[in-house]
Amino acid sequence: EAGVAQSPRYKIIEKRQSVAFWCNPISGHATLYWYQQILGQGPKLLIQFQNNGVVDDSQLPKDRFSAERLKGVDSTLKIQPAKLEDSAVYLCASSLVFRGATNFGPGTRLTVT
Amino acid sequence: QKEVEQDPGPLSVPEGAIVSLNCTYSNSAFQYFMWYRQYSRKGPELLMYTYSSGNKEDGRFTAQVDKSSKYISLFIRDSQPSDSATYLCAMSAEGVGGGSNYKLTFGKGTLLTVNP
Repeated sequence: EAGVAQSPRYKIIEKRQSVAFWCNPISGHATLYWYQQILGQGPKLLIQFQNNGVVDDSQLPKDRFSAERLKGVDSTLKIQPAKLEDSAVYLCASSLVFRGATNFGPGTRLTVT
Repeated sequence: QKEVEQDPGPLSVPEGAIVSLNCTYSNSAFQYFMWYRQYSRKGPELLMYTYSSGNKEDGRFTAQVDKSSKYISLFIRDSQPSDSATYLCAMSAEGVGGGSNYKLTFGKGTLLTVNP
């Protein structure tokens, strides 16, 4: 079984620029998550999709972050404009149904200078 | 008070030692408890999953949940250098509509080094 794929793996941008991350979940997984992991912290949920629909985006800074899930499969997360405090690893994860088996991708490490 | 507290360490032990990792939490609605292992520059990998209180064993790993004390533990027996990683506890309540509508709340993670 192929894992969760993410790209790019690394990205360096200047503040006020925009950036987009892409995620391809495990085939057949209906639930997709984006987490933000700041250095030295545990991952924090930004947004959760169930198929095409948003289930929880309560911690997504909507003035600068946006996310979509195309046809219930791939997803993109965008930041516009980026701030210094957005420097973090952005993890995509997916699950079939909740049994604790949330599979994480390798993450995209974003550095905002 | 944070919902999930985890001592960030770092924790350094000799090979073969028994390792004990712990988390406390404040939200009594949490029912699902997980431990993830995260190697440097990798995504978290699910190690153990338990529902409600009790123990679960898988090879060298044992997870314990004490809901009355709001305390969970992960024990690693006969620790190996390959166990060197950050260990994250995570937990979840039953979400809206049940099933897959939930979110994980993570601890900060404990950095473990097992020295050969």
